[in-house]
Amino acid sequence: DADVTQTPRNRITKTGKRIMLECSQTKGHDRMYWYRQDPGLGLQLIYYSFDVKDINKGEISDGYSVSRQAQAKFSLSLESAIPNQTALYFCATSDSKSGSLNEQFFGPGTRLTVL
Amino acid sequence: KQEVTQIPAALSVPEGENLVLNCSFTDSAIYNLQWFRQDPGKGLTSLLLIQSSQREQTSGRLNASLDKSSGRSTLYIAASQPGDSATYLCAVRLVDSNYQLIWGAGTKLIIKP
Repeated sequence: DADVTQTPRNRITKTGKRIMLECSQTKGHDRMYWYRQDPGLGLQLIYYSFDVKDINKGEISDGYSVSRQAQAKFSLSLESAIPNQTALYFCATSDSKSGSLNEQFFGPGTRLTVL
Repeated sequence: KQEVTQIPAALSVPEGENLVLNCSFTDSAIYNLQWFRQDPGKGLTSLLLIQSSQREQTSGRLNASLDKSSGRSTLYIAASQPGDSATYLCAVRLVDSNYQLIWGAGTKLIIKP
């Protein structure tokens, strides 16, 4: 079984709809991240969480919100989806106990299309 | 502001060739650099991580080098195979951050049988 899972894997929605993307992990890591990837661009950090009570904005948080329901679950919401939020979304985890290495491990991605 | 560039954006080579992928960064104050592989529908897989104090790392047919002073890293793939076809991404971790990665846009590699 995959250590980091994302649901759904693909989603097509319409402008103005509220969308939630979910991420679960079985790695026991305390840190979780949401990224988006656009064609021809590198990944950009949307939000990150260092533990259940810690939520931080990344580079491009406008139009997004997150919820850390438990150490293993981190959800990303688009309150009112717009077409330029069409992208590939990745969830990642890392373990602060790994020390300075803090290597990140990624889920398979969710392809979101906003019409 | 740190910027990471990968050139070329796409590369197609015959099977069996040795090849080099390039990654350049503008600020040498990095903590480490990682190379990832991205397969459609399968997320990102970490291939190699080089700490700033290291010059290279090897894993099987892959060898990654790091030259901080010139702001460059290369990923060398020996005896390429069709299964190596994927997009390869590099990311640098900033020296003053314990989490932030700055990413290149990737090189899409196609190995022709």
